Amino acid sequence: DAGVTQSPTHLIKTRGQHVTLRCSPISGHKSVSWYQQVLGQGPQFIFQYYEKEERGRGNFPDRFSARQFPNYSSELNVNALLLGDSALYLCASSFDSLADTQYFGPGTRLTVL
Amino acid sequence: AQSVTQLDSHVSVSEGTPVLLRCNYSSSYSPSLFWYVQHPNKGLQLLLKYTSAATLVKGINGFEAEFKKSETSFHLTKPSAHMSDAAEYFCVVSDPRGGRRALTFGSGTRLQVQP
Repeated sequence: DAGVTQSPTHLIKTRGQHVTLRCSPISGHKSVSWYQQVLGQGPQFIFQYYEKEERGRGNFPDRFSARQFPNYSSELNVNALLLGDSALYLCASSFDSLADTQYFGPGTRLTVL
Repeated sequence: AQSVTQLDSHVSVSEGTPVLLRCNYSSSYSPSLFWYVQHPNKGLQLLLKYTSAATLVKGINGFEAEFKKSETSFHLTKPSAHMSDAAEYFCVVSDPRGGRRALTFGSGTRLQVQP
């Protein structure tokens, strides 16, 4: 079975640009969560989506947005990129929004120059 | 609010010796607790989880952790380290209030295994 997939693997952008990251959950999973992992730190929660609805949001500015599609895949959008947005963006899938086990994808490495 | 403190940023052991990675948590509710491992340039892999069943939890690759409510600790152990155990380890707490389960990660412990 395929695990969580994310695209692209790596991305380089310049300040002020916007970026879209994509995630496909494990087949049968209906919830997707996004996390940001800055180098040398633990991941931080950004969003959780379940059945196309936002179920939770972490302490991130409005430049960050996300959505979930009918096939349960998800996009994370970041506008007006800052140098500090450089990080590994991780997607995790779970069966539903309260499932206690989340399965992580390999991440997208975003570099903002 | 929930939080996790990993007491050591780096731990170095020799191959074949025991591993101890320390974690303390804070949570207003009965928490779910996890240990995840991250190998270089790889995603996060679940090692084990505690969800209010047995306090001694066994995970993959010979790892286990003991939930101690009185000490608010969830330390990760392994009797004998292997070179392939070298990685970053994260202690994680989860709170399902509000209809969602956001994971709160510790800052990580880098485990080095010397030959």
